[in-house]
Amino acid sequence: NAGVMQNPRHLVRRRGQEARLRCSPMKGHSHVYWYRQLPEEGLKFMVYLQKENIIDESGMPKERFSAEFPKEGPSILRIQQVVRGDSAAYFCASSRNELAGDTDTQYFGPGTRLTVL
Amino acid sequence: GQSLEQPSEVTAVEGAIVQINCTYQTSGFYGLSWYQQHDGGAPTFLSYNALDGLEETGRFSSFLSRSDSYGYLLLQELQMKDSASYFCAVIRNRDDKIIFGKGTRLHILP
Repeated sequence: NAGVMQNPRHLVRRRGQEARLRCSPMKGHSHVYWYRQLPEEGLKFMVYLQKENIIDESGMPKERFSAEFPKEGPSILRIQQVVRGDSAAYFCASSRNELAGDTDTQYFGPGTRLTVL
Repeated sequence: GQSLEQPSEVTAVEGAIVQINCTYQTSGFYGLSWYQQHDGGAPTFLSYNALDGLEETGRFSSFLSRSDSYGYLLLQELQMKDSASYFCAVIRNRDDKIIFGKGTRLHILP
């Protein structure tokens, strides 16, 4: 059973370009969470999605950022017109159901490291 | 609002015991989790406490006091591979996201 997969692992973009980050949850998991982590800092929640639904996007900037989790295919975090401040590691995690804290129900992917030049 | 406080860095000696504390202030509380993250790696789940008391898993234990809004992670028989960042994380309610602290960087000396 493959774990949470993210690609690309490293992404370099110039200011003004678009970044697309993909996350495939573990098999059987229907809940996806995206987090951003700056160097030497903790994980900042961005958005929580279920299939075809955004449940909570309170941590995601209103402009330039969007996320989706379609019925088929991976979850996508899209950043338009990237700026240097978007450089960070972006992690996604998945869980089987809404009990996000019980035992080990939330699994993290390896992350995508975005560098904006 | 919500906040989680944990020390930014802790240093300990190989073979010793270390305790990493976490205090939280949140509107609503469902449980407290701990995650480990090595440099350049993904966070990995360590433990979860929903009720007061100590949960033990091998060399790692986690404690929760709901009345004090306080928990800690205890690492025993420290090994060099335990050098990592440790995050406490609060789940406010069943359907909610996890809120992470800023992490504690554990340095282990030989």
